[in-house]
Amino acid sequence: GENVEQHPSTLSVQEGDSAVIKCTYSDSASNYFPWYKQELGKRPQLIIDIRSNVGEKKDQRIAVTLNKTAKHFSLHITETQPEDSAVYFCAASITGRNNFNKFYFGSGTKLNVKP
Amino acid sequence: NAGVTQTPKFRILKIGQSMTLQCTQDMNHNYMYWYRQDPGMGLKLIYYSVGAGITDKGEVPNGYNVSRSTTEDFPLRLELAAPSQTSVYFCASSPELTNLAKNIQYFGAGTRLSVL
Repeated sequence: GENVEQHPSTLSVQEGDSAVIKCTYSDSASNYFPWYKQELGKRPQLIIDIRSNVGEKKDQRIAVTLNKTAKHFSLHITETQPEDSAVYFCAASITGRNNFNKFYFGSGTKLNVKP
Repeated sequence: NAGVTQTPKFRILKIGQSMTLQCTQDMNHNYMYWYRQDPGMGLKLIYYSVGAGITDKGEVPNGYNVSRSTTEDFPLRLELAAPSQTSVYFCASSPELTNLAKNIQYFGAGTRLSVL
């Protein structure tokens, strides 16, 4: 099955700096790549996603890039704020029979934004 | 809409006990999932369902069972609880992929389970 690797496991940045989190995947059939933010004790919340036919997507301070050839995708957060501190998960999804989408998650990156 | 609702929020079990984690969604989604999240790790798929009456195993199904008698409900059953099943369990649902509907997953708030 699909294998998703995520780096780094922890990331500490100064408020206002940028943060970049990278993920690689193994199955070229993966066609959808969401990113989730999980605050302590809370459920994962979708923050941005990208489909395999798109190379880049931006939403205010958050952007995601996808390189299908190299099988990697990245989350970019600019002008970081203390409230960006959380654990971020990447995922890769494969559409199988019955149009069902299996999601494979990275192991998470704990982002700490220092004021 | 309530979205995806999980109960209970917390539970402590003794080794060998059994319990059912409840999950219900009111978005009329066909697809439902159960994940476990161990400390410092990502989510691992336990079981999934593509519709009422249809379930299938995910990556880590051993020690668990599921049923899907209705579109709304997808309970997860633990038989003979073991310490290795101490984890946070998330239920999720998503619409069927179409040109209009995105395959976004909606998560419940989670059930924190400890087996002692």
